[in-house]
Amino acid sequence: DIVMTQSPDSLAVSLGERATINCKSSQSVLYSSNNKNYLAWYQQKPGQPPKLLIYWASTRESGVPDRFSGSGSGTDFTLTISSLRAEDVAVYYCQQYYDTPQTFGQGTKLEIK
Amino acid sequence: QVQLVESGGGVGQPGGSLRLSCAASGFTFSDYGMHWVRQAPGKGLEWVASVRFDGGNQYYADSVRGRFTISRDNSKNTLYLQMNNVKPEDTAVYFCAKASTYDILDYWGQGTLVTVSS
Repeated sequence: DIVMTQSPDSLAVSLGERATINCKSSQSVLYSSNNKNYLAWYQQKPGQPPKLLIYWASTRESGVPDRFSGSGSGTDFTLTISSLRAEDVAVYYCQQYYDTPQTFGQGTKLEIK
Repeated sequence: QVQLVESGGGVGQPGGSLRLSCAASGFTFSDYGMHWVRQAPGKGLEWVASVRFDGGNQYYADSVRGRFTISRDNSKNTLYLQMNNVKPEDTAVYFCAKASTYDILDYWGQGTLVTVSS
């Protein structure tokens, strides 16, 4: 199974500041035939289901604010929130859909400093 | 709009059975693969099982293979998870999720809580 490891486990950022979450996969999730990274990011707020934010490592889902961006390739990926808002407090998960079983990172809890 | 509504959760005894359902609406159910993902209390997300759009292939996590069965009824727009020989470690909120092309989980239900306890 592909192991997904996020860092840090928790993060406190001031409103308006940048938040950065990292995700590393135990093997590459870049599919050579289409040059796509099979990597997604989800946001989960308390008592709610996960919400898809980004797929193909850097493509924002429809309706997701442009302060959210994803980057990286191969085994190393980053989710960046450019200017933190109060409603961004949540747990963020990376996930690979390159192989079955799909696997998730352990989550990063984002709070306001 | 896409809606996924899970039901069937509750308390089950170790070794017992439970059947979860996920009623889908707002999209052509028979065109898309579907997944179950669970989340133990206070823990992260764990993929459980998936089924192809036509029900022809099913995939399982090692932790549930041989005990859980995923299925679907495209005539009823409903996804199922039959849980047999349940264990305390199966205690979790179970989410159903719609898969887009390439198996991206783009819509999720609110989840149903399964508690396994004697």
